[in-house]
Amino acid sequence: QSVLTQPPSASGTPGQRVIISCSGSSSNIGDNYVYWYQQLPGAAPKLLIYRNDQRPSGLPDRFSGSKSGTSASLAISGLRSEDEADYYCAAWDDSLSGNWVFGGGTKLTVL
Amino acid sequence: QMQLQESGPGLVKPSETLSLTCTVSGGSIISDTYYWAWIRQPPGKGLEHIGIISHTGRTSYNPSLRSRTTVSVDTTRNQFSLNLRSVTAADTAFYYCTRLTTVTFLDLWGRGSLVTVSS
Repeated sequence: QSVLTQPPSASGTPGQRVIISCSGSSSNIGDNYVYWYQQLPGAAPKLLIYRNDQRPSGLPDRFSGSKSGTSASLAISGLRSEDEADYYCAAWDDSLSGNWVFGGGTKLTVL
Repeated sequence: QMQLQESGPGLVKPSETLSLTCTVSGGSIISDTYYWAWIRQPPGKGLEHIGIISHTGRTSYNPSLRSRTTVSVDTTRNQFSLNLRSVTAADTAFYYCTRLTTVTFLDLWGRGSLVTVSS
């Protein structure tokens, strides 16, 4: 059971806009930054979004992040076949001794 | 360009210690900007933070794994390591070494090393 909650799957057709949600609590998303990772099949995760809505240099602006209260979202516009991957959210959790926590991941299928 | 590479046994027996090393190339492990972390992922499942270390040896662990985990650093070899004791089948996973910053969190990953716990 992951501390951050993501839908297990999402889908869209090429060119569409897809939104992946990540739900947490006041001890993690509510009080800390959210990060998003993309994991292509058979590969290591790759940083997509940091500090809620910041993109690493070189990342297409088709990817965007947002946060409101204890939830966050990753939006992918102009969906492409190469976007088919698993997506994970992450945040610091202040509860107990403190820990980095992840969502369970969302598998995005491009139809 | 900095790269990370995990190395170590791919098979460990139950109750023994899982040991992995991450070699940092293309840059120095001695940095006030970067920390070094281990993340694991059971096959087909999600990500789990294991532990973090600075080049000075300061560590931070996942509370659920702290009692069995030691992360260490060897600045002379530009490496950091993971020891996970008393392993069970539940510890079977891909183990990734990563670079961490306070701004971007985990911004560089090794390719991962699959460790299977089985007799």
